[in-house]
Amino acid sequence: KAGVTQTPRYLIKTRGQQVTLSCSPISGHRSVSWYQQTPGQGLQFLFEYFSETQRNKGNFPGRFSGRQFSNSRSEMNVSTLELGDSALYLCASSFITDLGGEQYFGPGTRLTVT
Amino acid sequence: TQLLEQSPQFLSIQEGENLTVYCNSSSVFSSLQWYRQEPGEGPVLLVTVVTGGEVKKLKRLTFQFGDARKDSSLHITAAQPGDTGLYLCAGALYGTSYGKLTFGQGTILTVHP
Repeated sequence: KAGVTQTPRYLIKTRGQQVTLSCSPISGHRSVSWYQQTPGQGLQFLFEYFSETQRNKGNFPGRFSGRQFSNSRSEMNVSTLELGDSALYLCASSFITDLGGEQYFGPGTRLTVT
Repeated sequence: TQLLEQSPQFLSIQEGENLTVYCNSSSVFSSLQWYRQEPGEGPVLLVTVVTGGEVKKLKRLTFQFGDARKDSSLHITAAQPGDTGLYLCAGALYGTSYGKLTFGQGTILTVHP
């Protein structure tokens, strides 16, 4: 089975711009979660999508948004970029049931805001 | 305040030594996962523990979940340079979705030949 793929791998943007990151989950996985990783804060949960619905949202401003399509692919968008948004953005997919589920991560998108 | 306290933050040891990494919380987790991450890559899942008191072994790595499901440990026997990396514990808080993981701060392990 192919793993989680994320595009692009690297991105450089300017303050005030917006950016869209893409994630393709493992085939059969309907849950997609997004995380932000920075040296200072570590890995922080952004949001989770399941069957095209946002199921959970982390403590991030409204500039961070996402969506999931019917094929489970997901995108996240950050508007009005700030320098502090520079980070590794990780997507994880899982086959979740009420009994549990394991998250498998993609390689991440490295976003640099200048 | 960190929900999941991971220690130590840094560990530098010689090849052949043993080590233990700890993850502690005052909250109960439905499950807890350990990941290893290389620079510039995503975390790779090592193991998932779900039952209080559970012990899982993966070659030289031993994972334990506390009886109360509030803490976990990772023990590496006879560490090798190939074990070098960032180790992360992450859990799904009891009552929340398994798709929302809370991460520890991570342990940077360096094994010198």
